[in-house]
Amino acid sequence: QSALTQPASVSGSPGQSITISCTGTSSDVGGYNYVSWYQHHPGKAPKLMIYDVKTRPSGVSNRFSGSKSGNTASLTISGLQAEDEADYHCSSYTSSNTLVFGTGTKVTVL
Amino acid sequence: EVELVESGGGLVQPGGSLRLSCAASGFTVSSSYMSWVRQAPGKGLEWVSVIYSGGSTYYADSMKGRFIISRDNSKNTLYLQMNSLRDDDTAVYSCARRMITSHAFDMWGQGTLVTVSS
Repeated sequence: QSALTQPASVSGSPGQSITISCTGTSSDVGGYNYVSWYQHHPGKAPKLMIYDVKTRPSGVSNRFSGSKSGNTASLTISGLQAEDEADYHCSSYTSSNTLVFGTGTKVTVL
Repeated sequence: EVELVESGGGLVQPGGSLRLSCAASGFTVSSSYMSWVRQAPGKGLEWVSVIYSGGSTYYADSMKGRFIISRDNSKNTLYLQMNSLRDDDTAVYSCARRMITSHAFDMWGQGTLVTVSS
């Protein structure tokens, strides 16, 4: 199972919006509405930000939103803040009853 | 407080074995879907394995036949037995609780470092 493809890095200024893509295949992203997004500050435990493509867990800011089109899912962060600087990872359920993660994206707040 | 704490990582030679533990508090491991996820240095997250509440287990292809996921209900602890370790198994290994209604992890431990090197 190949990792889902994410851009290595995305940057934006405070207050701007950025979008991180996560591209897979019809056997994972495109085949199921089980895409999740995690925020990961190095040295800390990852935090679930979005699940089931677009659902935010309780306590997650509504500045984070998810969507999907075909084999590509996206995470949008609006009103970018300094605290959003972190690594972001997508994941998807697969047709093999396994999970696959993305290659990871480093978000930099300029 | 709901918490996951991993232990058991360390330095091991290629071909060696290691058993990782993940102690849970605040919820019951046997009633949950529990996974191991790893992150090699400079790489993204990689799903390793899952054990369902009913006991079914699944593994990523590269770990199949080498790694074994299990749990001790009396200790509320998850394990990962890793055999025939290779250099590319070097990573931080984290345990995570999967949501029952989705394929997402709502709780993670901070991880334990496994280094495979001669």
